[in-house]
Amino acid sequence: DAGVTQSPTHLIKTRGQQVTLRCSPKSGHDTVSWYQQALGQGPQFIFQYYEEEERQRGNFPDRFSGHQFPNYSSELNVNALLLGDSALYLCASSTTRTMNTEAFFGQGTRLTVV
Amino acid sequence: SQQGEEDPQALSIQEGENATMNCSYKTSINNLQWYRQNSGRGLVHLILIRSNEREKHSGRLRVTLDTSKKSSSLLITASRAADTASYFCATDASRGSTLGRLYFGRGTQLTVWP
Repeated sequence: DAGVTQSPTHLIKTRGQQVTLRCSPKSGHDTVSWYQQALGQGPQFIFQYYEEEERQRGNFPDRFSGHQFPNYSSELNVNALLLGDSALYLCASSTTRTMNTEAFFGQGTRLTVV
Repeated sequence: SQQGEEDPQALSIQEGENATMNCSYKTSINNLQWYRQNSGRGLVHLILIRSNEREKHSGRLRVTLDTSKKSSSLLITASRAADTASYFCATDASRGSTLGRLYFGRGTQLTVWP
């Protein structure tokens, strides 16, 4: 049973460019959440997708957008990259049909903006 | 803020010793989850404790939860060098449409010396 997979592992982009990160959730999970983790900090919630819609969103600008596909996989898009967007981006997979279920994370995508 | 806050920020011990990390939070929760992170990689899920539980065990891990004090502790017994990592607590205070959103603290950096 594959866990949560993210691609790519590392990415270097130039300021102003756009980037797309991808996530495949754990088998049986229907909900994908994205987190940003800056160096030395804990993960911060970006948004969550369920049934192909953004269900809730953290305090991130509209430059951050996403998508969920019918197979539950998800993409995170960031436009007009800033140096401050450099971080580890984590995808969390869960099922939210019931409460109190574990959230499992992928290995993350390390984004460096230069 | 609903963020969990871990204490201490850093902990250094010898192999074989026990390591205790604490987490405090501010609002009522559904559950609290502990994660481990090695060198900026993905988060590994360790244990979930529900708000109506007081203690859970998993191998060398023991987690306690005191909802009256809004605090939790993670005990790692007989630590090993391989336990060296950052440890995060994440609170789930979901209500309705916010189901599954996790709030993280900054983590405790544990170093276990051989």
